[in-house]
Amino acid sequence: DSGVTQTPKHLITATGQRVTLRCSPRSGDLSVYWYQQSLDQGLQFLIQYYNGEERAKGNILERFSAQQFPDLHSELNLSSLELGDSALYFCASSVRRGGPTSTDTQYFGPGTRLTVL
Amino acid sequence: AQTVTQSQPEMSVQEAETVTLSCTYDTSESDYYLFWYKQPPSRQMILVIRQEAYKQQNATENRFSVNFQKAAKSFSLKISDSQLGDAAMYFCAYSVGGSNYKLTFGKGTLLTVNP
Repeated sequence: DSGVTQTPKHLITATGQRVTLRCSPRSGDLSVYWYQQSLDQGLQFLIQYYNGEERAKGNILERFSAQQFPDLHSELNLSSLELGDSALYFCASSVRRGGPTSTDTQYFGPGTRLTVL
Repeated sequence: AQTVTQSQPEMSVQEAETVTLSCTYDTSESDYYLFWYKQPPSRQMILVIRQEAYKQQNATENRFSVNFQKAAKSFSLKISDSQLGDAAMYFCAYSVGGSNYKLTFGKGTLLTVNP
């Protein structure tokens, strides 16, 4: 158990709909990352938040948005869903260990499997 | 752009034997980190081992070790005394030091362990 929780585990919806995926990071972790895993694109970074602020964007569609709340949980909102959005969405969290040579090791949640019909 | 290449889509190993998974990466950065993640059938992403690029010593975690060749930009994973529970998809990943440590992943190697 990584300590990162994601809800729901599975989500089945229809094209054109909007869904919200939720992530609670490990206790004390300030950074939250969202990744998408699909058969054709593999594992791709979507977006990162650090202590409530957006820090970096990757291959995130304009139909997707995210936010991190004061309690540090994060939500990923997917709208106008298309068949191609079906994927496993992971949240990961990390904590900076401090110092100029520190590294953020990311711990992943169990993922939310989204199926768009 | 940084890329991570895993040239072996599938590998197999006999239980108790040793197997090595290959990974190469491309970067112009000097401060970076390399990781191996394991994804079993449950789909959970599990950190196996990590290596900081500035460290010359290869990382080791129990039966898992890496061969980090910085000049060749190579980062292979060796699994010793393979166990049935090691069967999974293995992803090599890379991140750049600084304020953003986003991971760039390879396409993965599916490891089968034969009893």
